[in-house]
Amino acid sequence: KQEVTQIPAALSVPEGENLVLNCSFTDSAIYNLQWFRQDPGKGLTSLLLIQSSQREQTSGRLNASLDKSSGRSTLYIAASQPGDSATYLCAVRADRGSTLGRLYFGRGTQLTVWP
Amino acid sequence: NAGVTQTPKFQVLKTGQSMTLQCAQDMNHEYMSWYRQDPGMGLRLIHYSVGAGITDQGEVPNGYNVSRSTTEDFPLRLLSAAPSQTSVYFCASSPMGTGNTIYFGEGSWLTVV
Repeated sequence: KQEVTQIPAALSVPEGENLVLNCSFTDSAIYNLQWFRQDPGKGLTSLLLIQSSQREQTSGRLNASLDKSSGRSTLYIAASQPGDSATYLCAVRADRGSTLGRLYFGRGTQLTVWP
Repeated sequence: NAGVTQTPKFQVLKTGQSMTLQCAQDMNHEYMSWYRQDPGMGLRLIHYSVGAGITDQGEVPNGYNVSRSTTEDFPLRLLSAAPSQTSVYFCASSPMGTGNTIYFGEGSWLTVV
């Protein structure tokens, strides 16, 4: 069964720091990996989607990388701001058998950026 | 652009009651799904559908029922609510083709007392 792990579970940093959030998964048979942001009391907002054939995706201050063979992804946040405070979730989309197309989520990294 | 709309946002139920969480999307997406989110457990798939008339079970289907009579709507029914079903429920949709972004609703907070 696919398992997704995110490290660290929580992170508190001063404004301006560059951050790295980690995601690992146990089964490399994935279609893609998606990073989401969740604000308290809100739904999930998609940040970046990396196809299994890609190595990275960038959007503004965010950069996500994917090493499918080793089962790892990182989300890099440059020059963090208080508005980046949220929970960041990693999810992989399965590419195998009866679980085809399903999303498997990590438990998230809760990020706090203080002024 | 409405996207994925869930109702109600908040609901309190008594044990044994039944209710339906509504989900509608206006993007003509074939794939729709329901997740529950619990502290320390992450998001878990309850049921999903790949098109009208086609549904299948996810990871935690017990106690829930779904149907998909139209492309737009994918309601989730709680048959006889239990305190263990206290959770936040999210509906999501995407085009078919697993390379596409999945869009989530704002969530429905359910408390069973």
